[in-house]
Amino acid sequence: SAVISQKPSRDICQRGTSLTIQCQVDSQVTMMFWYRQQPGQSLTLIATANQGSEATYESGFVIDKFPISRPNLTFSTLTVSNMSPEDSSIYLCSVELAAAPDEQYFGPGTRLTVT
Amino acid sequence: GNSVTQMEGPVTLSEEAFLTINCTYTATGYPSLFWYVQYPGEGLQLLLKATKADDKGSNKGFEATYRKETTSFHLEKGSVQVSDSAVYFCAGGTSYGKLTFGQGTILTVHP
Repeated sequence: SAVISQKPSRDICQRGTSLTIQCQVDSQVTMMFWYRQQPGQSLTLIATANQGSEATYESGFVIDKFPISRPNLTFSTLTVSNMSPEDSSIYLCSVELAAAPDEQYFGPGTRLTVT
Repeated sequence: GNSVTQMEGPVTLSEEAFLTINCTYTATGYPSLFWYVQYPGEGLQLLLKATKADDKGSNKGFEATYRKETTSFHLEKGSVQVSDSAVYFCAGGTSYGKLTFGQGTILTVHP
């Protein structure tokens, strides 16, 4: 496995502002992903974070709202832009490790509340 | 597209009872299948997996068998403990490593 850290662990933000979430992994990574878990619901994939290029977004998610960076193999950021209360969720990064292909490991999540 | 359907919850059991949580999938081809667990206040953890038909994944007394004929991957445990209380998610691996999750099943085990 690997140690996956996310910052911040939680935040309370005002509507109209933006928050950037960081994800850092201590092992060699092949793939990185960002998911959203809305209150009481399952996980939904937001996008695949591609190293050195634009992220690949899933249907219903756009770059203007959720810009993602991945400057190197083990670090990525997700920004939630122009927030509204509907963005209140847990945001999780996940990784596929070079040492364990076909398995995904999740970070602890960032709990975001938008007021 | 791909989808994963889990049995409706929540599930409440007494300690040492038998557990089954149903999971079926719809996919193009034969995806890898996973069970993840989320203990109270903790992150999502991989519990077990199976990568092809008839594979059995097992961990911590939990088992699930990849059934191609019924497109199912039901989670079972012969004797649950209070410490097994958690939310369980079934997931299917789609192209390029993406995961599609079921809706999650809350399990509560009473002493």
